[in-house]
Amino acid sequence: NAGVTQTPKFRVLKTGQSMTLLCAQDMNHEYMYWYRQDPGMGLRLIHYSVGEGTTAKGEVPDGYNVSRLKKQNFLLGLESAAPSQTSVYFCASSKTTGYHTGELFFGEGSRLTVL
Amino acid sequence: GENVEQHPSTLSVQEGDSAVIKCTYSDSASNYFPWYKQELGKGPQLIIDIRSNVGEKKDQRIAVTLNKTAKHFSLHITETQPEDSAVYFCAASKSNTGKLIFGQGTTLQVKP
Repeated sequence: NAGVTQTPKFRVLKTGQSMTLLCAQDMNHEYMYWYRQDPGMGLRLIHYSVGEGTTAKGEVPDGYNVSRLKKQNFLLGLESAAPSQTSVYFCASSKTTGYHTGELFFGEGSRLTVL
Repeated sequence: GENVEQHPSTLSVQEGDSAVIKCTYSDSASNYFPWYKQELGKGPQLIIDIRSNVGEKKDQRIAVTLNKTAKHFSLHITETQPEDSAVYFCAASKSNTGKLIFGQGTTLQVKP
């Protein structure tokens, strides 16, 4: 089972360049998320989606855009990369229990370095 | 919005001892509190969770307690083993919003 797949796994960018991280899940989950992980900061929510065609801002949305055109895919875009966006990015998906957010299934992470 | 604070940031115990990690949350409307374990080079995985209508939940060597009045919850690991060494995250969310906010993480080291 593939679960949650992130591409690419590693990327080095120069300041000002743009790029897109792709997340794909094969579990038919309604919810999808993008988090960034930095030392001492834990996992911070960038954007999330509660269904196809919907997106919402998380804790640290500035400098990022997202799209959820298909239920199984959630794209994270950096229009003009900055060194402060050097981080490990995690995508996750979950189904809803109807009462609360269900278990999140995470991808393996994408390490992005902005020079 | 919700804010989750987690302590300690690092914890070192001897094999067989107990480990306790504590979290506080700010939004009294939060009603779901999961704990995730992250091993080196991998994404986090759910290990236990608790809903706001329950005060304590156990699963073998791990347990979670919730104090809604004080807005804090804790993870307890008994009889620790070297394979428990990892980064642990607490989190909180409200109803079915889909917005899950994590704490800063605790690096647990279990010494053989």
